[in-house]
Amino acid sequence: KAGVTQTPRYLIKTRGQQVTLSCSPISGHRSVSWYQQTPGQGLQFLFEYFSETQRNKGNFPGRFSGRQFSNSRSEMNVSTLELGDSALYLCASSLDSGGLSYEQYFGPGTRLTVT
Amino acid sequence: AQSVSQHNHHVILSEAASLELGCNYSYGGTVNLFWYVQYPGQHLQLLLKYFSGDPLVKGIKGFEAEFIKSKFSFNLRKPSVQWSDTAEYFCAVNAGITGGGNKLTFGTGTQLKVEL
Repeated sequence: KAGVTQTPRYLIKTRGQQVTLSCSPISGHRSVSWYQQTPGQGLQFLFEYFSETQRNKGNFPGRFSGRQFSNSRSEMNVSTLELGDSALYLCASSLDSGGLSYEQYFGPGTRLTVT
Repeated sequence: AQSVSQHNHHVILSEAASLELGCNYSYGGTVNLFWYVQYPGQHLQLLLKYFSGDPLVKGIKGFEAEFIKSKFSFNLRKPSVQWSDTAEYFCAVNAGITGGGNKLTFGTGTQLKVEL
């Protein structure tokens, strides 16, 4: 079974621009979460989508947004990029079925550099 | 808000030495606990997980962890490390989420270097 895939893998943007990152979960997984990884702040939760609805949200400004499609694929968008948004953005998917808890599987990430 | 503490930021061991990495969390209710590993140049991989039941859980590559509820701890152990265990290890907690779902809180990570 294919793992979580993320595109693009690397991205360079200029301050003030916006960016869209894409994530395809493991087949059959309905929950998709996004995390930001930086050397200073570590791994931080951005948001989770399940059945096309945002189910949980972290403490990030409104410039960070996301959505999920009917096939469970997800995108996250960052508007008005700031230098501090440079990070590795990780997507994780989880089976999440019948109210039971399941582990998350991570993709390789998108390395975003803002100049 | 919950938090996760990993006490050791950098650990250097010789091959065949025993490993124990500490992890403490701050939430008092039901928790799901995880250890993830990130090998150089690779993505985060699940090492082991605890949801309920036996507090001693076994994961891949000979790793195990023990959930001690009274101490709010979930320490990772391996009796004999190998050079290939060189990686960064993250403890994570999923807890206290109204309506369910996933919202992992990660520790700051422990960089393990195993020397030959």
